[in-house]
Amino acid sequence: DAGVIQSPRHEVTEMGQEVTLRCKPISGHNSLFWYRQTMMRGLELLIYFNNNVPIDDSGMPEDRFSAKMPNASFSTLKIQPSEPRDSAVYFCASQPSRTGELFFGEGSRLTVL
Amino acid sequence: DQQVKQNSPSLSVQEGRISILNCDYTNSMFDYFLWYKKYPAEGPTFLISISSIKDKNEDGRFTVFLNKSAKHLSLHIVPSQPGDSAVYFCAASDGGGADGLTFGKGTHLIIQP
Repeated sequence: DAGVIQSPRHEVTEMGQEVTLRCKPISGHNSLFWYRQTMMRGLELLIYFNNNVPIDDSGMPEDRFSAKMPNASFSTLKIQPSEPRDSAVYFCASQPSRTGELFFGEGSRLTVL
Repeated sequence: DQQVKQNSPSLSVQEGRISILNCDYTNSMFDYFLWYKKYPAEGPTFLISISSIKDKNEDGRFTVFLNKSAKHLSLHIVPSQPGDSAVYFCAASDGGGADGLTFGKGTHLIIQP
């Protein structure tokens, strides 16, 4: 079975550019989470969806960040405009029900110059 | 304010010996605890979990201990093997994982031959 699929794996962009990260959760999983990993703060929860509906976006750092889940098999995390401090690894994870473990993708490493 | 703390950024253990990774938490509402393992350039993968109604859970070489009064949990790996070298994240939730997981910053375990 395919796991959580994220793209791109690596993204290098210049400050001010728009960045879109994509995620395909495991089929049948009802919840989807976006995390950001940095050396300073570790793994931070940015936003999560349940049945495609955003439940809590309190972890989104600024209005420059937005996330959508138009259907059960696709989600995007957009940063516009991007800044160097957004450089991090962004993980998407899905969960089969409202409880239990999360299954993570391999991450998207973003570098903003 | 870190609600889940892993105070040892790294730990070095000889192959065959016991590895003990520690984790402290501050939120008394947490009722579900997990350990994740992460290799470089990969996403975190679930290792073992424990509910607050238990104080021990064992799975092969991995055992997690929970001390609720001390708000402390630990992961024991015995015997340690070279493939165990990775970053280990402690995670916690107050709803069985329904609202995502709060992660510690991780401990880099290095198994020496």
